[in-house]
Amino acid sequence: ETGVTQTPRHLVMGMTNKKSLKCEQHLGHNAMYWYKQSAKKPLELMFVYNFKEQTENNSVPSRFSPECPNSSHLFLHLHTLQPEDSALYLCASSHPREPQYFGPGTRLTVT
Amino acid sequence: DQQVKQNSPSLSVQEGRISILNCDYTNSMFDYFLWYKKYPAEGPTFLISISSIKDKNEDGRFTVFLNKSAKHLSLHIVPSQPGDSAVYFCAASARVDSNYQLIWGAGTKLIIKP
Repeated sequence: ETGVTQTPRHLVMGMTNKKSLKCEQHLGHNAMYWYKQSAKKPLELMFVYNFKEQTENNSVPSRFSPECPNSSHLFLHLHTLQPEDSALYLCASSHPREPQYFGPGTRLTVT
Repeated sequence: DQQVKQNSPSLSVQEGRISILNCDYTNSMFDYFLWYKKYPAEGPTFLISISSIKDKNEDGRFTVFLNKSAKHLSLHIVPSQPGDSAVYFCAASARVDSNYQLIWGAGTKLIIKP
């Protein structure tokens, strides 16, 4: 399998649940990213990992917890989310200073 | 305040004609610009990029123009095809930023009419 994959594609969770989003890239990139896309808004960068080290946390609430066990895998652990966290969550990867390549996203609905 | 602005939320163009999508930026440190295309329920797909040392980059039907003095870039698609109907995002980065962050516009929805 090639490119950037994300699972699950759709997720509905209650505010008290704990769930995780998974991202895997098969492009040999060293940088991985989590973005949030809400309707009619620019993509919001959440986290950046370079060589498995987190280098950016864009003031993201602690109910979102990223994990990068290796350069190919990225997780976003979710707990006690709010309805306003419902959005499309996108994972991307890149070589340094090269275009980012995106996965298909996880459509998250918090009820 | 948004550093990258796409002021047209939507644009409708006749099939076969030229589509011109515009993007303005405010940060003079930006030196690398990208255009992405996004279909519903999919992630953005990289289309074309341009470095600030150039003022034009062409790839098939897609051409990006950069006007540094005006802090403006545009994407030209010619001829426009029905499959080009999508949301187009402009993004910019400053290569001095070691985190390689992209700053994104809000997108322009392009509709190609048959």
